[in-house]
Amino acid sequence: AQSVAQPEDQVNVAEGNPLTVKCTYSVSGNPYLFWYVQYPNRGLQFLLKYITGDNLVKGSYGFEAEFNKSQTSFHLKKPSALVSDSALYFCAVRGVYSGNTPLVFGKGTRLSVIA
Amino acid sequence: NAGVTQTPKFQVLKTGQSMTLQCAQDMNHNSMYWYRQDPGMGLRLIYYSASEGTTDKGEVPNGYNVSRLNKREFSLRLESAAPSQTSVYFCASGVGTAGNTIYFGEGSWLTVV
Repeated sequence: AQSVAQPEDQVNVAEGNPLTVKCTYSVSGNPYLFWYVQYPNRGLQFLLKYITGDNLVKGSYGFEAEFNKSQTSFHLKKPSALVSDSALYFCAVRGVYSGNTPLVFGKGTRLSVIA
Repeated sequence: NAGVTQTPKFQVLKTGQSMTLQCAQDMNHNSMYWYRQDPGMGLRLIYYSASEGTTDKGEVPNGYNVSRLNKREFSLRLESAAPSQTSVYFCASGVGTAGNTIYFGEGSWLTVV
């Protein structure tokens, strides 16, 4: 079975500081990993994904994520947070050999960037 | 560039009423999905359609039915709405291979009173 854990319901960070939103996963075999962002009253928007290759993945809006196979983690990072980054962030996973099975999402982490 | 379009955006239903949420995508995607989002619960899969002509249950299918009308359209029906179905519903679509991204609609806010 596939699963994702986002251990923090809420992350607060001051504007200009680096931010990290944590994600760990469980899947049989190798994973495909995704991050999505949801702004208030909107749908989820794709940020970035890890498929294969370089463990550091760069995505939209200056976000990046680091895949760590030994720790089964895929933490989302940004060097300098903006107030406009305040949103709900979701991590998702699908196994490499899972074919058409749907993505499994974590419960989400609310990021609040304080000016 | 429409992407995934959901209708209606907002709906209030009385307990026991029925309704259908419509979803259409213009990206020629094979797979389509219905999720619900509730506070503290994240996104939970209701039903999905891996390809035209197929549908499968997700994590929380009870009280819902779906129809994959054609490649573009995937509807979600509540036959007899209950207050527990008050939620935000999201439709999504994707190419259908394991590494491919899925794309979401803007959501449908449903309240059952």
